[in-house]
Parts: sequence; C-alpha cells; structure tokens
Amino acid sequence: AQSVTQLDSQVPVFEEAPVELRCNYSSSVSVYLFWYVQYPNQGLQLLLKYLSGSTLVKGINGFEAEFNKSQTSFHLRKPSVHISDTAEYFCAVRANTGGFKTIFGAGTRLFVKA
Amino acid sequence: TAGITQAPTSQILAAGRSMTLRCTQDMRHNAMYWYRQDLGLGLRLIHYSNTAGTTGKGEVPDGYSVSRANTDDFPLTLASAVPSQTSVYFCASSAGQGAGNEQFFGPGTRLTVL
Repeated sequence: AQSVTQLDSQVPVFEEAPVELRCNYSSSVSVYLFWYVQYPNQGLQLLLKYLSGSTLVKGINGFEAEFNKSQTSFHLRKPSVHISDTAEYFCAVRANTGGFKTIFGAGTRLFVKA
Repeated sequence: TAGITQAPTSQILAAGRSMTLRCTQDMRHNAMYWYRQDLGLGLRLIHYSNTAGTTGKGEVPDGYSVSRANTDDFPLTLASAVPSQTSVYFCASSAGQGAGNEQFFGPGTRLTVL
C-alpha cells in the first residue's frame, strides 16, 4: 500500500519569493508521482509527473519537482511565485506495478500575498 | 472540448433522500473515477470503472453506488443520504489503467446533506 504526507497544510508567501511545497511518500513498490493543482471552485489539473528517468521534473506554470528516492520525497518548487499561483496543491502517488489507485495527500494551500 | 462535465454544480439534500450525481466525459477514456474531497483529508476514491460494463469499490464506497452503461457516463447514486456525505464530489477519467496515465477532473459537485 502507498501513502502520501504533505508536510504543510498552508504556506503563505510574498509575490516573487521562492516557494517549496513538501511531499513525502511511503510504498513497498516503485511508484509514479504526481502534483496536481486546484484553483478555487475548480477541479484538479496536472502540474507535473515523475514516471522514470531524470529525477528533476519540470511542469506547467514554471513549477518543478525533484524525486528523491532515498528520502522518499517529491517536493514541488517555484523560484518566483505570482498572485495567480494561489491555489491548493496535491501530491499523489500510484504504484507502477499496474492497477488504478492513485493516493492523494491532504493538500497544501499556497497563499501568495502582494 | 468540454472534457468532463458534472451536474448539478451544487445541491442541498434532506437526509434520507436519494440523489444521483451525473458525470459525462467526451474524451473516450476507458477509466472513470468518483472521489470525495473533505478538508484535511484530500481526495478519497469512492468507486471506479475500468471500462464500460465494469465497476469496483474504492476506499470509501459505503452508501454509494455507480453504474457504467457506456463509455461516456458514470453516475454516482446516494440511495439514502446522510449528513456525513456532505462533501465536494469529483468525477475523473483517464485513458487507461496504466499507472502513468494522467487523470482529468470535472469541476465538482458540492453536496450538503441536512
């Protein structure tokens, strides 16, 4: 079974500052990792995903994440945030042995202040 | 392209009443999912369908039923609603069960059971 822990429920940050949203996972098998973003009153949309290969993954809107197998982490980063990045961010994990279940973290609310 | 549509957008329901949440996708995706989103708990899988004609139980199936008569539609039914089913419900789909497949989400249905 897999589990996901997002270490911060809320992250306030000033506009143009860097941000890191932390995600740790546990799994007895190899996994695929995802970050989704949810803007207010909308569904989730994919930011980026790690399947294999380079551990640094670049996504939409200037976000990137680094897969660290030894630390079982997949932290999301952006060097300079905008007001429009205010949203809820979800880390998710899925076993790469097949199957369909995606396990989501509880979410981190990023609040960008002017 | 509409992607995934859900109806209604929101609903207030008396306890004990039944209700069907509708979900339609136009991407010809094989797999579809229903999640509920509750504060601090992230998204939890209620039911899923690998392909038309088949369904399965997720993490929190009790009190819910689904059907998949065709590829496009995946309705979720609450036979006798209870207040603990107050939540935001998201329908999602993916091209297949492959673990790397991205899930696409609808805009959600906000349900309040009184």
